[in-house]
Amino acid sequence: NAGVTQTPKFQVLKTGQSMTLQCAQDMNHEYMSWYRQDPGMGLRLIHYSVGAGITDQGEVPNGYNVSRSTTEDFPLRLLSAAPSQTSVYFCASSPRTLGAEAFFGQGTRLTVV
Amino acid sequence: ILNVEQSPQSLHVQEGDSTNFTCSFPSSNFYALHWYRWETAKSPEALFVMTLNGDEKKKGRISATLNTKEGYSYLYIKGSQPEDSATYLCAFIGMNRDDKIIFGKGTRLHILP
Repeated sequence: NAGVTQTPKFQVLKTGQSMTLQCAQDMNHEYMSWYRQDPGMGLRLIHYSVGAGITDQGEVPNGYNVSRSTTEDFPLRLLSAAPSQTSVYFCASSPRTLGAEAFFGQGTRLTVV
Repeated sequence: ILNVEQSPQSLHVQEGDSTNFTCSFPSSNFYALHWYRWETAKSPEALFVMTLNGDEKKKGRISATLNTKEGYSYLYIKGSQPEDSATYLCAFIGMNRDDKIIFGKGTRLHILP
């Protein structure tokens, strides 16, 4: 059982480049989300989705786009990478059941130079 | 933006000692509180899902209590072991849930041999 799979695990980008972080889950979870982890800041919510075709902004959405065309996939797009987006990114999913725990991917360490 | 506070930020505990730390959250519109354990270079994993005022949950040497009326939860670790070294995150889900899971910044626990 793969759970939540994120790719790539590591990425270096130049300022201004764009890229997509992939997230896929095989648990048929309705809810998926993206967080970034920065030193001293914990996990901050970027975007989330409660089901296919539905997305919404979290605490720090600027500079990122998401889409949810299927239940399984929730890619995160960086439109024009900036050094401030250097971070570790985590994708998470959970059942739509209110209060259910989140399951996390292994993280993507992104460096923007 | 909901405020989920954890204290202390960092804690050093001698092996064999017991310890506890706090998560504070909005007492209005509470639905659920999660505790996660996050080891270095890994992903967060759920410890407890708590929904009822007065809830007490236990897993081995780790336990948690919940007070929804005053908006706090305690995590206790009895007889700390080196493998307990990790960051402990709490996460709040509100009643008006648009399915967002909001995390605190975590308590970083170091067990000293």
